[in-house]
Amino acid sequence: EIVLTQSPGTLSLSPGERATLSCRASQSVSSSYLAWYQQKPGQAPRLLIYGASSRATGIPDRFSGSGSGTDFTLTISRLEPEDFAVYYCQQYGSSPWTFGPGTKVDIK
Amino acid sequence: QVQLVQSGAEVKKPGASVKVSCKASGYTFTSYGISWVRQAPGQGLEWMGWISAYNGNTNYAQKLQGRVTMTTDTSTSTAYMELRSLRSDDTAVYYCARVLSGWYLIDYWGQGTLVTVSS
Repeated sequence: EIVLTQSPGTLSLSPGERATLSCRASQSVSSSYLAWYQQKPGQAPRLLIYGASSRATGIPDRFSGSGSGTDFTLTISRLEPEDFAVYYCQQYGSSPWTFGPGTKVDIK
Repeated sequence: QVQLVQSGAEVKKPGASVKVSCKASGYTFTSYGISWVRQAPGQGLEWMGWISAYNGNTNYAQKLQGRVTMTTDTSTSTAYMELRSLRSDDTAVYYCARVLSGWYLIDYWGQGTLVTVSS
């Protein structure tokens, strides 16, 4: 099973700042089958990034993903008020599909 | 637009079973799979398994093998997840989600169903 570790656990930033979230895998993620999801309280997750770096439909270009192998990054270039949420990475390249524990981005 | 509408909240006693439904609309049901993911209160996301709506093939998380069954009814574009021998640590919000066939990417999620297991 591929274990995903996310850091930091919590990121406290102000609107307009840049957020950099890390996701590290215990072994190489097949074909960069790595996704990022955003979840707000009381809501279902929403797909942001797939294939490590492709934005999902309707996702603003301030969200970008990068990385390969075992190290992946989600970057939010300038935080908007609606971006404060929990972000999960997930690998879907090998079974069982696994999620990271999440990074909470909160308002400083 | 793609919609996955789940059944309502359930309260069950330990040892009982629960069956959650997920009705899909806005796309060709049999061209995608359905995955089930759960989230215990205040916790992260846990993948439970996947079913192909095309041929019914399944892949379950090992820790749930023997307790979970995922099925689909293509005539009504509805997926079901049944979990048996419920324990208190099965208390969670259960999500169904659409899966791109071949890619195994989860792209759309249902609204979630809270299952509470309590004596």
